[in-house]
Amino acid sequence: GAGVSQSPSNKVTEKGKDVELRCDPISGHTALYWYRQRLGQGLEFLIYFQGNSAPDKSGLPSDRFSAERTGESVSTLTIQRTQQEDSAVYLCASSLVRGMNEQFFGPGTRLTVL
Amino acid sequence: GENVEQHPSTLSVQEGDSAVIKCTYSDSASNYFPWYKQELGKRPQLIIDIRSNVGEKKDQRIAVTLNKTAKHFSLHITETQPEDSAVYFCAASPTGNQFYFGTGTSLTVIP
Repeated sequence: GAGVSQSPSNKVTEKGKDVELRCDPISGHTALYWYRQRLGQGLEFLIYFQGNSAPDKSGLPSDRFSAERTGESVSTLTIQRTQQEDSAVYLCASSLVRGMNEQFFGPGTRLTVL
Repeated sequence: GENVEQHPSTLSVQEGDSAVIKCTYSDSASNYFPWYKQELGKRPQLIIDIRSNVGEKKDQRIAVTLNKTAKHFSLHITETQPEDSAVYFCAASPTGNQFYFGTGTSLTVIP
């Protein structure tokens, strides 16, 4: 079946603009994660969704970052007033249920803030 | 919060030799430790994981060991092959919600 998909694959924006990144998880996966991966770095946890429960936003680096998820489907990550340090690959992952389960990653969105 | 450190950052081995990557964690509540492999330009993929009630797990040429007392876990790859060349990430999860990743090890297997 289809894996996790993300769009756009690449996004170039100017400093100060808002961007919206999209993630389509695997159908039936209730858990969804967003990560940020700076060049040559590890994955930095941003936010976690589980079904209709309140999301775990503890990893969001500032109030410029927000994310939404409609039920157990699509999620969007919004970055307002982008800064150059926001440049990174943003990865989305989903898993069947929360906890000790394999996360399936999307291909990522490469964001470049000029 | 949890802090995961990973060493070495780069590792080169001859084909057929073994490779070992080590990670330490800080939160004693962490109870799930997955390892992901990320080939150049591709997405991370799970290769093996271990839970805190187990000390060692093997899957063909890959094994992971966990020492809860010392708060460290390691990935062992035996009989390395060129296709093992990739970046490997360890991770720790105390809640199943948050996953804390190491900074990655770039493994190069020299034919």
